Amino acid sequence: ILNVEQSPQSLHVQEGDSTNFTCSFPSSNFYALHWYRWETAKSPEALFVMTLNGDEKKKGRISATLNTKEGYSYLYIKGSQPEDSATYLCAFIAGGYQKVTFGTGTKLQVIP
Amino acid sequence: EAGVVQSPRYKIIEKKQPVAFWCNPISGHNTLYWYLQNLGQGPELLIRYENEEAVDDSQLPKDRFSAERLKGVDSTLKIQPAELGDSAVYLCASSSGPGTGNTGELFFGEGSRLTVL
Repeated sequence: ILNVEQSPQSLHVQEGDSTNFTCSFPSSNFYALHWYRWETAKSPEALFVMTLNGDEKKKGRISATLNTKEGYSYLYIKGSQPEDSATYLCAFIAGGYQKVTFGTGTKLQVIP
Repeated sequence: EAGVVQSPRYKIIEKKQPVAFWCNPISGHNTLYWYLQNLGQGPELLIRYENEEAVDDSQLPKDRFSAERLKGVDSTLKIQPAELGDSAVYLCASSSGPGTGNTGELFFGEGSRLTVL
């Protein structure tokens, strides 16, 4: 079983604050790293698909970085808004059989 | 384009009863996953199909859980008999991987929430 960890487990921030959280994964046999956003009562949706060491992706106020050599990825949210409240999941995809292993998620609550 | 469809959305049963969940993946997606999601935890893989073949079912509790994907399209996950600890959300996802240049992005259904009393 692959070890994929996310921290913090939960986070409360004020509207307008910037925040970031971490996903740690094995530094060997890397194929891809995904970030998903899971809003309550909805399906998880992909935010970013990252494949190369040093990748930086951005979508509006949300961005992510990837370090495959040391096995971590950061997700940043600039100027948090209430609609950013969700659980953010990372998923590590190993090479070969492309096993997809999810972290436990970071639950973000943005307080208006 | 239609997304991944799951049914039922909610199911309440008494322990020792059977239950079945159905998933219709996105058209053309060869890979189908069933995940279990307990409160406060990330999704845990139960089984992964490539077309009609189960290529990873190492985490599926085979004494009570079974799954099938006839014809490599729709899939059914069954629990018989259900136990109290099976209360969770069962997520189905599909992707077009694996393959050259494919990063395996997963598309999820809305999940089936099971409550076992």
